[in-house]
Amino acid sequence: GENVEQHPSTLSVQEGDSAVIKCTYSDSASNYFPWYKQELGKRPQLIIDIRSNVGEKKDQRIAVTLNKTAKHFSLHITETQPEDSAVYFCAASKSGGSYIPTFGRGTSLIVHP
Amino acid sequence: DSGVTQTPKHLITATGQRVTLRCSPRSGDLSVYWYQQSLDQGLQFLIQYYNGEERAKGNILERFSAQQFPDLHSELNLSSLELGDSALYFCASSSSGTGYTGELFFGEGSRLTVL
Repeated sequence: GENVEQHPSTLSVQEGDSAVIKCTYSDSASNYFPWYKQELGKRPQLIIDIRSNVGEKKDQRIAVTLNKTAKHFSLHITETQPEDSAVYFCAASKSGGSYIPTFGRGTSLIVHP
Repeated sequence: DSGVTQTPKHLITATGQRVTLRCSPRSGDLSVYWYQQSLDQGLQFLIQYYNGEERAKGNILERFSAQQFPDLHSELNLSSLELGDSALYFCASSSSGTGYTGELFFGEGSRLTVL
């Protein structure tokens, strides 16, 4: 089955800095890569996703890049703010059929004011 | 609000006991997923149901079982509980058919503490 590795497990930055979280996946057939944000005590929520037919997607201060050849994808957050502090999960899955996203272990992002 | 409802929010019980967690998916969603979140273990997939039928099974213990009812709500049954079963259990649902985007909508979770 699919295996998703996520690094780093903890990331501490100063407000205004950029943050990058990296994930690798094992199944070359995976074609959908969502990122979820989980604030303390809350449910995970989708913040951005990318499909395998594009290499980059951007939404305001967040962007995701995908390298299919190397089987890795990354989340980039620019101009970080204290409210960006949360646990971020990457996931990989195959569309169609029994869609089951496999999640990474999560990255705890701490943004210091 | 994701539209996914989970009850109870918190549950404290003793080892050896049995509990049932309940989930109501978003209106119109046919797929329900159960995930277990333990400290430092991320989101572990347990089981998926689609329109009342089991669709996929992950790392679900034999002591655990689930079902999805005709009204599409789902229940996760955990029996012979052990200390290590203490975790946050999430239910998620997804849209189906032409409305399907891949996004999972998570409930607020049920926090189980086994003493």
